[in-house]
Amino acid sequence: EDQVTQSPEALRLQEGESSSLNCSYTVSGLRGLFWYRQDPGKGPEFLFTLYSAGEEKEKERLKATLTKKESFLHITAPKPEDSATYLCAVLNSGGYQKVTFGTGTKLQVIP
Amino acid sequence: NAGVTQTPKFRVLKTGQSMTLLCAQDMNHEYMYWYRQDPGMGLRLIHYSVGEGTTAKGEVPDGYNVSRLKKQNFLLGLESAAPSQTSVYFCASLTPGQPQHFGDGTRLSIL
Repeated sequence: EDQVTQSPEALRLQEGESSSLNCSYTVSGLRGLFWYRQDPGKGPEFLFTLYSAGEEKEKERLKATLTKKESFLHITAPKPEDSATYLCAVLNSGGYQKVTFGTGTKLQVIP
Repeated sequence: NAGVTQTPKFRVLKTGQSMTLLCAQDMNHEYMYWYRQDPGMGLRLIHYSVGEGTTAKGEVPDGYNVSRLKKQNFLLGLESAAPSQTSVYFCASLTPGQPQHFGDGTRLSIL
């Protein structure tokens, strides 16, 4: 059974204080690992896809990395508008494009 | 380009009542999904569809039914609502190998 574990559950940062979110996973045949951002009252919004170990993707203050067992979302010099819940998900090689989600990390950035 | 649209956005039901949640996507995606999101439990798959006229059970299908009569629409039905079905429901769609696109959810309360 595919599993995704995210840590920490919640993170409070001062504006400008860099940190990382962790996503550990076990999956039968990884086809992709996704990071999403979810704002209150909204659906998850896609950020990154990583396909293989060693791959990195960047967007503004966010950088996602992938190893064979985990992924990190690095947040550099965060701003209050980066406050959201960040979800990690894995897509396995099954026939129906099965996606398994973690429970998310709730990030709060304080001015 | 609206992406994934869910209706209604909010609904309050009494125990035993029935209702249908509608999901519409305009991206010509073959795969569509219904999830529920509850605090501390992440997104859990209820039912999914790999194409028009096909549906299948996900992780938590009991008490729900679905239909996919048209490629762009995926309906989720509650035949006899129970308080345990109080949740936020998200619809998603995708094309194989790509990340899911989500709607903004339906917030359902059952009294």
